[in-house]
Amino acid sequence: DQQVKQNSPSLSVQEGRISILNCDYTNSMFDYFLWYKKYPAEGPTFLISISSIKDKNEDGRFTVFLNKSAKHLSLHIVPSQPGDSAVYFCAAPTGANNLFFGTGTRLTVIP
Amino acid sequence: EAQVTQNPRYLITVTGKKLTVTCSQNMNHEYMSWYRQDPGLGLRQIYYSMNVEVTDKGDVPEGYKVSRKEKRNFPLILESPSPNQTSLYFCASGTGYEQFFGPGTRLTVL
Repeated sequence: DQQVKQNSPSLSVQEGRISILNCDYTNSMFDYFLWYKKYPAEGPTFLISISSIKDKNEDGRFTVFLNKSAKHLSLHIVPSQPGDSAVYFCAAPTGANNLFFGTGTRLTVIP
Repeated sequence: EAQVTQNPRYLITVTGKKLTVTCSQNMNHEYMSWYRQDPGLGLRQIYYSMNVEVTDKGDVPEGYKVSRKEKRNFPLILESPSPNQTSLYFCASGTGYEQFFGPGTRLTVL
């Protein structure tokens, strides 16, 4: 049962444009969400998070939006850079710090 | 440097030969966990530990064992590996929801 879903396995974007990565969840009890970025041959690294009491959180070029009624969150990267090319995972914790991860979206930023 | 280390990084073994993947963190985190990453399935949690001598099953614990005798170490043990345990394994530690991941161990079981 995939409680956190990323329906787009890949996304290609031109350098300088906006990248939008999407994530849907099914468990309405989730109250916190995280995005991780993963480069090849490395472990995932934390990127940005959002609490369910907010609908937006911004950190430099990265903004996460949360739509609780739709059970949907999205990560916006503006402007996209070639170094942003990676696999992005959304995740939601459920008690005891356990994280449910989505299946990931591979972002390719074309120079 | 704050980090999570895993060894080995790559391992090819045969069915039934016991193996251990070590994990160590230098951030004094109480919480540690193991995940496996498979194509189309994302990362799935195998086991986690809230503190020394406290471990519990994650979503996919079958075929794995763990131990937490010291705060910094959390080894993953495969007593009798099978081909369906061929995967990329990540150890993580953290406080709160943000977790720090090791570089991964790619395991192939023939």
